[in-house]
Amino acid sequence: GAGVSQSPSNKVTEKGKDVELRCDPISGHTALYWYRQSLGQGLEFLIYFQGNSAPDKSGLPSDRFSAERTGGSVSTLTIQRTQQEDSAVYLCASSPAGTPGNTIYFGEGSWLTVV
Amino acid sequence: GNSVTQMEGPVTLSEEAFLTINCTYTATGYPSLFWYVQYPGEGLQLLLKATKADDKGSNKGFEATYRKETTSFHLEKGSVQVSDSAVYFCALSDPNSGNTPLVFGKGTRLSVIA
Repeated sequence: GAGVSQSPSNKVTEKGKDVELRCDPISGHTALYWYRQSLGQGLEFLIYFQGNSAPDKSGLPSDRFSAERTGGSVSTLTIQRTQQEDSAVYLCASSPAGTPGNTIYFGEGSWLTVV
Repeated sequence: GNSVTQMEGPVTLSEEAFLTINCTYTATGYPSLFWYVQYPGEGLQLLLKATKADDKGSNKGFEATYRKETTSFHLEKGSVQVSDSAVYFCALSDPNSGNTPLVFGKGTRLSVIA
């Protein structure tokens, strides 16, 4: 597609359930990023992929969070045993390479509400 | 570590007013600097960027100059419009941090009233 595509766009889940969020980056982009945007908290970095490997997982907030990327393309962010504090917008972004100075392109986000 | 500090919002201005949103940074090397904008109901999009000291990024009437001596990248626009109402994020990318992705400020919400 023309841009970064994320699904679902909105998800309401019960506390304790697992959720999967999907990101389809711009074709040909080797770098993929996940951020979390919480009300009043700005943008929090979660994880970064270069190809299929994740050289930087430092932002994952707990071991309930994991992410994978297959085929150098689609990525899935999984949150296990969701908690109410996980409610946020999860943003995916991609760039042609993980080179500092490259513009990164964001999707519209997946709004997650844990009730 | 690397960090970005931008002025707290919200900022409310009348149409045609002058806008400044301050942004300062801390980085180990010589970062590239960015302003991203998030319009209501939309994803973040790049507004402008500068990759070295004294560079000026500009787009849609907005400007920001990379000031190494003051470690700043303030966003300015001479005459804002209602359509500029959005959240603005300052960000940096530090080449000395390997492939570390963008570090963002907390965002500044701008509301422009007619």
